[in-house]
Amino acid sequence: DAKTTQPNSMESNEEEPVHLPCNHSTISGTDYIHWYRQLPSQGPEYVIHGLTSNVNNRMASLAIAEDRKSSTLILHRATLRDAAVYYCILGRGGQGGKLIFGQGTELSVKP
Amino acid sequence: EADIYQTPRYLVIGTGKKITLECSQTMGHDKMYWYQQDPGMELHLIHYSYGVNSTEKGDLSSESTVSRIRTEHFPLTLESARPSHTSQYLCASSLPGPGGSYTFGSGTRLTVV
Repeated sequence: DAKTTQPNSMESNEEEPVHLPCNHSTISGTDYIHWYRQLPSQGPEYVIHGLTSNVNNRMASLAIAEDRKSSTLILHRATLRDAAVYYCILGRGGQGGKLIFGQGTELSVKP
Repeated sequence: EADIYQTPRYLVIGTGKKITLECSQTMGHDKMYWYQQDPGMELHLIHYSYGVNSTEKGDLSSESTVSRIRTEHFPLTLESARPSHTSQYLCASSLPGPGGSYTFGSGTRLTVV
């Protein structure tokens, strides 16, 4: 299975941007990069995904390195409600689109 | 709004009982999944389905079974619950392909006493 590597935890201040890194050096050409987050006592929530180009939506931006071996999830202005575990996952075509979750990064946001 | 529903939200049950966790989605997604998550731990895929009459075991071995006789419904059954089955069970569905995003339910928190 394709592995992603994320820091176990990160801290941010409210109202400031947050950059959550993810390494995926074994990514293949057809793998999508997915980001989900899980708030306490809830199911995971889709954040964003991309293949090659940078992506923006109302929740976040996804910056993908040119060689695709790493990516960064950007929250432009962190709020207290953004405190969650953020998962970076590769969606592999060969696995029929199954998403295999890792440990993720626990983001805490200080007021 | 299209959504995915899991019932019950919480369940406390005695050892040896048979239980079925319900999962339904209104999005017409062919792909559905069951994940198991212990508190503070990562999610583990235990079952998935690519469509009606299709079910596969996931990466984590589980004593539970699933069925898929309707597109919208993907129940999970434990024939004889044990304390080791205590966990949170999360259901999800997605569009086909590696780029399809998942929608998760709120989960069922199961406690077997």
